[in-house]
Amino acid sequence: DGGITQSPKYLFRKEGQNVTLSCEQNLNHDAMYWYRQDPGQGLRLIYYSQIVNDFQKGDIAEGYSVSREKKESFPLTVTSAQKNPTAFYLCASSPGHLNTEAFFGQGTRLTVV
Amino acid sequence: QQQVKQSPQSLIVQKGGISIINCAYENTAFDYFPWYQQFPGKGPALLIAIRPDVSEKKEGRFTISFNKSAKQFSLHIMDSQPGDSATYFCAAGNRASYGKLTFGQGTILTVHP
Repeated sequence: DGGITQSPKYLFRKEGQNVTLSCEQNLNHDAMYWYRQDPGQGLRLIYYSQIVNDFQKGDIAEGYSVSREKKESFPLTVTSAQKNPTAFYLCASSPGHLNTEAFFGQGTRLTVV
Repeated sequence: QQQVKQSPQSLIVQKGGISIINCAYENTAFDYFPWYQQFPGKGPALLIAIRPDVSEKKEGRFTISFNKSAKQFSLHIMDSQPGDSATYFCAAGNRASYGKLTFGQGTILTVHP
């Protein structure tokens, strides 16, 4: 059953803590992305990776970090430097160069308590 | 120049009616325009997409109209059904950018029975 798996579905974080959101895909896609969704603001790009061991900042990268050690995995760490981390986080992947069809996971809702 | 502007923010349609959502973009380098459908608590799912070499694309009840000179594109949902009630996002991307998408703000569609 191919697709993108995000875990956990819900995550609670205390202020000052770092948390890591998991994203795994078995679609053999080269490119992976992290978006943040807030009510009424659409999806905003945090980080993206076109190949293993390489990634670039998106529009709102401050307070976030990523790694891409394996093709199928692209974890996102929300650090304590992110001032307003409560949001719905979406991971996506696409086949790669010249193929822009992006597929999304089911999301992780992060709440700071 | 990277913005995609979407309207209306919300839309209420009677069952059987036509739902129309509009988007406008500024960056002429965009060459891929998808529409995503999102149900509450779920990730967005690709609905239909168009490239600028055609002016219209139809898949079932869903049609994208594209006006390259005006830098606008729209989604038409014919014979709208209550099951179509969801949030719809337009997006724009460039095939050379590995699927990195810029999203509109979203439209909440409600179809009354």
